[in-house]
Amino acid sequence: EAQVTQNPRYLITVTGKKLTVTCSQNMNHEYMSWYRQDPGLGLRQIYYSMNVEVTDKGDVPEGYKVSRKEKRNFPLILESPSPNQTSLYFCASSPGDDLSGANVLTFGAGSRLTVL
Amino acid sequence: GEDVEQSLFLSVREGDSSVINCTYTDSSSTYLYWYKQEPGAGLQLLTYIFSNMDMKQDQRLTVLLNKKDKHLSLRIADTQTGDSAIYFCAESGYYGGSQGNLIFGKGTKLSVKP
Repeated sequence: EAQVTQNPRYLITVTGKKLTVTCSQNMNHEYMSWYRQDPGLGLRQIYYSMNVEVTDKGDVPEGYKVSRKEKRNFPLILESPSPNQTSLYFCASSPGDDLSGANVLTFGAGSRLTVL
Repeated sequence: GEDVEQSLFLSVREGDSSVINCTYTDSSSTYLYWYKQEPGAGLQLLTYIFSNMDMKQDQRLTVLLNKKDKHLSLRIADTQTGDSAIYFCAESGYYGGSQGNLIFGKGTKLSVKP
């Protein structure tokens, strides 16, 4: 089944304890992206990647890192989490080479992170 | 910067039509999208429309685009309780062969009353 898989789905952690949220897609997609969803703010893009070894900042990159060492994986790293990073996180991917030009995203199920 | 605006809530009765509206500011938007988010789940693409189209219909869904006013709407005919969800409008461009990033609205929560 074509899908984007995120882990963990739920995590409660403490301020300053480094964590990684993994994201993997099995569709050979070139484009991958991370979003956070907060009440009243909708979806905001954190980082995105057009291809292997190519990453760029989105609208809210502060406090996050990403890497794209291989096509299928795009982990989100919080080096020193803070309470304002408590949020629902979504990873998404798209082919990146759709001849129509549309960027049709497939989303993961989400990872709910709480930082105490 | 680019912005996408939607009303936050809509309530309809089962069997009625729902119309969810969206406005965007980026005149270079090439694609407009509607995504659906059910409780506890990720977003799923419902449909998208190219900016040179005025309308797109897919079963119970009708998308209308007024490019002059930068206004997009999603009409759901014969709304069912299973349509209760958050609906996100999004836009993207297409730059030099690369798909643009999506800019999302804040989402409209649709509640369908039996």
